[in-house]
Amino acid sequence: KAGVTQTPRYLIKTRGQQVTLSCSPISGHRSVSWYQQTPGQGLQFLFEYFSETQRNKGNFPGRFSGRQFSNSRSEMNVSTLELGDSALYLCASSSGLAGGTNTGELFFGEGSRLTVL
Amino acid sequence: TQLLEQSPQFLSIQEGENLTVYCNSSSVFSSLQWYRQEPGEGPVLLVTVVTGGEVKKLKRLTFQFGDARKDSSLHITAAQTGDTGLYLCAGAPPGSIQGAQKLVFGQGTRLTINP
Repeated sequence: KAGVTQTPRYLIKTRGQQVTLSCSPISGHRSVSWYQQTPGQGLQFLFEYFSETQRNKGNFPGRFSGRQFSNSRSEMNVSTLELGDSALYLCASSSGLAGGTNTGELFFGEGSRLTVL
Repeated sequence: TQLLEQSPQFLSIQEGENLTVYCNSSSVFSSLQWYRQEPGEGPVLLVTVVTGGEVKKLKRLTFQFGDARKDSSLHITAAQTGDTGLYLCAGAPPGSIQGAQKLVFGQGTRLTINP
């Protein structure tokens, strides 16, 4: 089955701009999680969406937001970009359902590498 | 805030040698996963351990979850160049919503296997 698709793969923005990243999960998966990966902090959880609702949230400022559509595709937005927002943004999908065949495995996309100048 | 500390952060060894990577925390996790990430790609799950004291083997890789579910280790026997990559441990905090994914990741161990 097709994997997790993230677009764009690379982008360059300047401070103060905003950016929107997109993620298409594996078909049938209803949970989409977003992580920020930097050399200094590693992978940090941003938020998780399940059935169009934010189900979990990490400790990031309100400039970071997201949403999920009825087809489970998700977008995340970062407003008023700062230099420190430069990172690889990873999207991960999973079934999001309790028990049953849910192994808890996250299927990651290749990421969107954001550079803020 | 729950943290996972991995050690070592960097490891470079010769092909054929054995190695162990550690993942430690002062907090309890309901489960722990190990991922491997290669350049330009997202992390890929290697294993999930759930029960304290659990040991899982995946070919030359052996994973162990500590009895108290606060730590884990990854042991590779007879390392091969194909084992090169970034190894990440990730824990699920207790009390997480069933089915929800809010993992705490370690900083990672960058492993290089030299021919």
